Amino acid sequence: GAGVSQTPSNKVTEKGKYVELRCDPISGHTALYWYRQSLGQGPEFLIYFQGTGAADDSGLPNDRFFAVRPEGSVSTLKIQRTERGDSAVYLCASSLSRPGEQYFGPGTRLTVT
Amino acid sequence: KQEVTQIPAALSVPEGENLVLNCSFTDSAIYNLQWFRQDPGKGLTSLLLIQSSQREQTSGRLNASLDKSSGRSTLYIAASQPGDSATYLCAVRPRESGGYNKLIFGAGTRLAVHP
Repeated sequence: GAGVSQTPSNKVTEKGKYVELRCDPISGHTALYWYRQSLGQGPEFLIYFQGTGAADDSGLPNDRFFAVRPEGSVSTLKIQRTERGDSAVYLCASSLSRPGEQYFGPGTRLTVT
Repeated sequence: KQEVTQIPAALSVPEGENLVLNCSFTDSAIYNLQWFRQDPGKGLTSLLLIQSSQREQTSGRLNASLDKSSGRSTLYIAASQPGDSATYLCAVRPRESGGYNKLIFGAGTRLAVHP
């Protein structure tokens, strides 16, 4: 079956602009996670959704970052007033249940110039 | 605060060698540990997941062990092939309150297997 998909695969934006990154989880997976991976590092947790609600947003770096999952399926990560330090690969993962194995998408590479 | 360390950071071996990748974590209170593979410019592919009550898991040429009390896991790759070249990431899911929700990753071991 289809895995986790993310769009766009690459996004280049200017400093100060607003961006949206989209994640389509595996069908039926109730848990959805966003991570951020900087060059040469492992992914760092940003936010976790169980259904439609953000159950844990403790990894969001500041209030410029926000994510939604209005219907409990697709999720959008939103970044306002982008900064060069936001440049990274943003990864989405989903799992069938909260402690279940996480399946990752290919990521969106964000470059802020 | 849980921290995950992977040694070595990079490894280059000739084809056919058996090799061991190491992962250590600072807090033994984990729910499970997972090994991933990441190819350049790609997402993560799950290789093996070990529950905290398990000692090892095997899949094909891969074997992962877990010693929770000492905070260590190893990934053993038998008869390495050039197609095994990738970055290998170790991640733990901590048992702390709320920790069910996130994986804590190491920085990875970049493996190159040359013919």
